[in-house]
Amino acid sequence: GAVVSQHPSRVICKSGTSVKIECRSLDFQATTMFWYRQFPKQSLMLMATSNEGSKATYEQGVEKDKFLINHASLTLSTLTVTSAHPEDSSFYICSAGTGVGYEQYFGPGTRLTVT
Amino acid sequence: GNSVTQMEGPVTLSEEAFLTINCTYTATGYPSLFWYVQYPGEGLQLLLKATKADDKGSNKGFEATYRKETTSFHLEKGSVQVSDSAVYFCALSDQKNSGNTPLVFGKGTRLSVIA
Repeated sequence: GAVVSQHPSRVICKSGTSVKIECRSLDFQATTMFWYRQFPKQSLMLMATSNEGSKATYEQGVEKDKFLINHASLTLSTLTVTSAHPEDSSFYICSAGTGVGYEQYFGPGTRLTVT
Repeated sequence: GNSVTQMEGPVTLSEEAFLTINCTYTATGYPSLFWYVQYPGEGLQLLLKATKADDKGSNKGFEATYRKETTSFHLEKGSVQVSDSAVYFCALSDQKNSGNTPLVFGKGTRLSVIA
């Protein structure tokens, strides 16, 4: 089946610094990618929809200047958390669709800890 | 808006026991319904799906039936194995071509099966 990777799997950064998370579709072209955030014992909450070659669409309440999303190619989307603060600590998960059919393919997630 | 409610875990069962994880939904339209599974250290994987009322999704011994009258999509398995230990997420999409549509997730239910 289709595989989506995320890098890094874990990252610890200091407050005020920026962190970039990569999401790659390894064996298919992803016209659309989604970024979710998951707090402990909570649902996955959609942050934004990323379409290749165009600006991301952010969900209400998600700061687009803080969570920068770039989808420069059909196999790579990046999420940059700018000026990170401890409240940004969370589990970030991406998923990708091929544009055909129902299935979305999920990455393994990135655990971000801001100290 | 759309939402998914699933039973909270953790659920601990002995091997060969019967499993039920309840899931109910609220949707403005006519959603497609999914169960995803997340094994330790891995990304979410589609377990089964149903796209219309009375459809039964099945895979790896798991089943779930789309019940429109009760807005439910309960996951069942007749005899669980240790290898079924994972976190299970119920999800919905309100578009038919949900590969390019974000999903709404329940909080997830952790299942532990002991030998």
